[in-house]
Amino acid sequence: NAGVTQTPKFRVLKTGQSMTLLCAQDMNHEYMYWYRQDPGMGLRLIHYSVGEGTTAKGEVPDGYNVSRLKKQNFLLGLESAAPSQTSVYFCASRPGGNTEAFFGQGTRLTVV
Amino acid sequence: GEDVEQSLFLSVREGDSSVINCTYTDSSSTYLYWYKQEPGAGLQLLTYIFSNMDMKQDQRLTVLLNKKDKHLSLRIADTQTGDSAIYFCAESILIKAGANNLFFGTGTRLTVIP
Repeated sequence: NAGVTQTPKFRVLKTGQSMTLLCAQDMNHEYMYWYRQDPGMGLRLIHYSVGEGTTAKGEVPDGYNVSRLKKQNFLLGLESAAPSQTSVYFCASRPGGNTEAFFGQGTRLTVV
Repeated sequence: GEDVEQSLFLSVREGDSSVINCTYTDSSSTYLYWYKQEPGAGLQLLTYIFSNMDMKQDQRLTVLLNKKDKHLSLRIADTQTGDSAIYFCAESILIKAGANNLFFGTGTRLTVIP
């Protein structure tokens, strides 16, 4: 089973460029999340989705947009990348409610 | 907002017990979790405890919850070099109808010295 797959695994962007990170899960989970991980700050929630066609803002949504057009995919977009968005991005999914979250392997993004 | 705090670093000798501590502020947490992150990898669930429990044991892992003090701990018995990783505590909080989100601590980097 693939579980949660993130693409790409690494990316270097120039300031002002745009890109989309893809998260795909094959477990038919309702909930999907995007987090960023920065040293000494743990994981912070960017955006989340509780089902196909729905999205909502998390703790640190500014500079990011998301879409959940298909249940299995959750896309994270950076319209105009900034150096402050240099981070490791993790996608996660859960069946729903108080259940275990399954994480992807992460995307290391560097904005120069 | 939610605030989950952990010490950043812990070093122990192989064979000793490790205790990783976590404090949280939101008393409405329903479940509390411990996740492990190995270098270059995502997070994997280690164990969890329901908020109406005081203790949970799972092989070498013991989770203690003091709900009054909002304090959670993870004890690893007979710590091995393979336990070296970053450990995150997380609380599950209902943010609106039908939506429970996980809020993570800063993570504790455990180093096991052979």
